Amino acid sequence: DTAVSQTPKYLVTQMGNDKSIKCEQNLGHDTMYWYKQDSKKFLKIMFSYNNKELIINETVPNRFSPKSPDKAHLNLHINSLELGDSAVYFCASSQDGQSYQPQHFGDGTRLSIL
Amino acid sequence: KNEVEQSPQNLTAQEGEFITINCSYSVGISALHWLQQHPGGGIVSLFMLSSGKKKHGRLIATINIQEKHSSLHITASHPRDSAVYICAVRLGNNDMRFGAGTRLTVKP
Repeated sequence: DTAVSQTPKYLVTQMGNDKSIKCEQNLGHDTMYWYKQDSKKFLKIMFSYNNKELIINETVPNRFSPKSPDKAHLNLHINSLELGDSAVYFCASSQDGQSYQPQHFGDGTRLSIL
Repeated sequence: KNEVEQSPQNLTAQEGEFITINCSYSVGISALHWLQQHPGGGIVSLFMLSSGKKKHGRLIATINIQEKHSSLHITASHPRDSAVYICAVRLGNNDMRFGAGTRLTVKP
C-alpha cells in the first residue's frame, strides 16, 4: 500500500487556469507538507499542516492555498496559474511536526504550464 | 549564498568505492535530514540527525553541531546508489532549508 499518494502524477494546463493536486497519507500521521522543486532541482517548503492548523506558511503567492478536509489529506489548490509555477510538487507527511520525526514523501506531481 | 551548502555537486565513483558527501549550514537548526532522490524523481528520507552518528546498512551519517557540518558516507558503493542526495536542515520554527543536492553516479 502506498503510504503517501499524490494525484495526478502529471498535470499539463494553460496559463490562467485553476488546478488542484491531491495528497493522501495512510500512515496515521498528524503533519503533512507541500514542497516545490524547481527546474534546477532545488526543493523549497511551501506549507505544512498539523491537525488542520497551518504551522508554516512559506512566502508563497496567495494563489496557492492548502486545504485539509481531514488529517489524512492535504490538497494543494492553485489559482490563476503562471508560467513560473511549472515545477514538481511533493507532498510529505510525518508523525507530528517535531524535528526528529522522519518525513515520508509522495512520488511528486509534475506541473507544466503552457 | 545558500544557507545549506553541499559538496561536491557531482560525484562519479566506481562500484565498491567509499563515498563521502558533505553538508555545511550557516543557521541554527533543530535537526538535519539526508534525503535520496531517485532518477525517477521519488524522494526517500534516509536519516534525521540532531547529534552524533547514525548507521543504516551501508549508509552512515554524522553531524557536528559545533562546526555546523554533516557528512553522508556510503560504503561499498553500488550502481543502485546512483541518485541525488539532498541535505536539509530544520530550523527552530519548523521551517526547512535545502541544499542543492549532490548527484552521485556509481559505475559498475
